[in-house]
Amino acid sequence: AQTVTQSQPEMSVQEAETVTLSCTYDTSESDYYLFWYKQPPSRQMILVIRQEAYKQQNATENRFSVNFQKAAKSFSLKISDSQLGDAAMYFCAYRGNAGNMLTFGGGTRLMVKP
Amino acid sequence: EPEVTQTPSHQVTQMGQEVILRCVPISNHLYFYWYRQILGQKVEFLVSFYNNEISEKSEIFDDQFSVERPDGSNFTLKIRSTKLEDSAMYFCASTLGQLNEKLFFGSGTQLSVL
Repeated sequence: AQTVTQSQPEMSVQEAETVTLSCTYDTSESDYYLFWYKQPPSRQMILVIRQEAYKQQNATENRFSVNFQKAAKSFSLKISDSQLGDAAMYFCAYRGNAGNMLTFGGGTRLMVKP
Repeated sequence: EPEVTQTPSHQVTQMGQEVILRCVPISNHLYFYWYRQILGQKVEFLVSFYNNEISEKSEIFDDQFSVERPDGSNFTLKIRSTKLEDSAMYFCASTLGQLNEKLFFGSGTQLSVL
């Protein structure tokens, strides 16, 4: 079974600075998808960024980018120019190629200091 | 952007009672899901549904749970006899295709079992 691990329960960053959230996963599959979801206090799950495992190029969405290291099974999220609105829980998630079930990590609570 | 709608936002029930959580997926989506998140814990997959039948379910989704798409627009999760440990946020989600990586989540129903 796939597992997703987020080793940082909490992180803090100064406004306008850059922060990196870590995620590792375990799988025997070669094709899969990886995601970062943001969960603000409203508890809605908002997709931040996604990465297809077959793509070597790291995904980027505005201030959000990932460092995908397939051999190391690592998928970190970098948030540049952090804003107060970035404060939330961030979940890393894995989806295999055959099924449609998402496996989530335990989450990292990001605090942004003004 | 289209939204997945969930009602109610909060549901309080007595242990042993039946509850039905309702979701309206995005209108042209074909695959539907329920996830749950116990407070402070990771988001967990419950079940996926396609073409009026369950396509995948987790160990959590035991005989006390059932899903239904009664009228072509609503997608419901029924818990037959609620237990204290069923208290959680329940998220509905939908996607256009089986391998489409964009999963749209609703804003959740917070279920409290007393």
